[in-house]
Amino acid sequence: AQSVTQLDSQVPVFEEAPVELRCNYSSSVSVYLFWYVQYPNQGLQLLLKYLSGSTLVESINGFEAEFNKSQTSFHLRKPSVHISDTAEYFCAVSDSPYVAYDKVIFGPGTSLSVIP
Amino acid sequence: DVKVTQSSRYLVKRTGEKVFLECVQDMDHENMFWYRQDPGLGLRLIYFSYDVKMKEKGDIPEGYSVSREKKERFSLILESASTNQTSMYLCASREGGNSGNTIYFGEGSWLTVV
Repeated sequence: AQSVTQLDSQVPVFEEAPVELRCNYSSSVSVYLFWYVQYPNQGLQLLLKYLSGSTLVESINGFEAEFNKSQTSFHLRKPSVHISDTAEYFCAVSDSPYVAYDKVIFGPGTSLSVIP
Repeated sequence: DVKVTQSSRYLVKRTGEKVFLECVQDMDHENMFWYRQDPGLGLRLIYFSYDVKMKEKGDIPEGYSVSREKKERFSLILESASTNQTSMYLCASREGGNSGNTIYFGEGSWLTVV
């Protein structure tokens, strides 16, 4: 069964500095990969996802993530963070892409705190 | 926009009580999920349903049951609440047919069992 590791439970970063949130998953033949974000007192919402094609995927608010099959990683990056990026970030993986009701496995989450 | 609505944001229940958490989605999604969220553990899947009256156990089904009589509604039931079930519960839905489809979450229900 798939598993997801997010090595950093908390990441403090100053406003306008770059940030990288790390995500690794256990090996599989093919996977779908996701980053979800949870703002305070809200449910999760999709930030971006990799299904196939280009290994670099981007979100509308400046985040990007790169699928690296050899390292089984899907790290999330942003070149310059804003206060509004303060949130919990969850990496997730679906390990049976062709099964219609496959479940998605979530990592433990990384709390990003942007310091003014 | 997809909307997943959880009936209660905050509940306080006594040990041994039967607890119902209700969830409704408005996008005709086939798949629905109940997750439990705890600090440091992320989201753990309790049950999911891929169609009406169909259900599958997730990773932590013990102490829980579910009901899906209508496509838009998925209920989580705690038969006899215990203090270790104090947690945040998240309902979610997803269009069926492809596990790459986006999962949409409700805002969560904070349950405290005393």
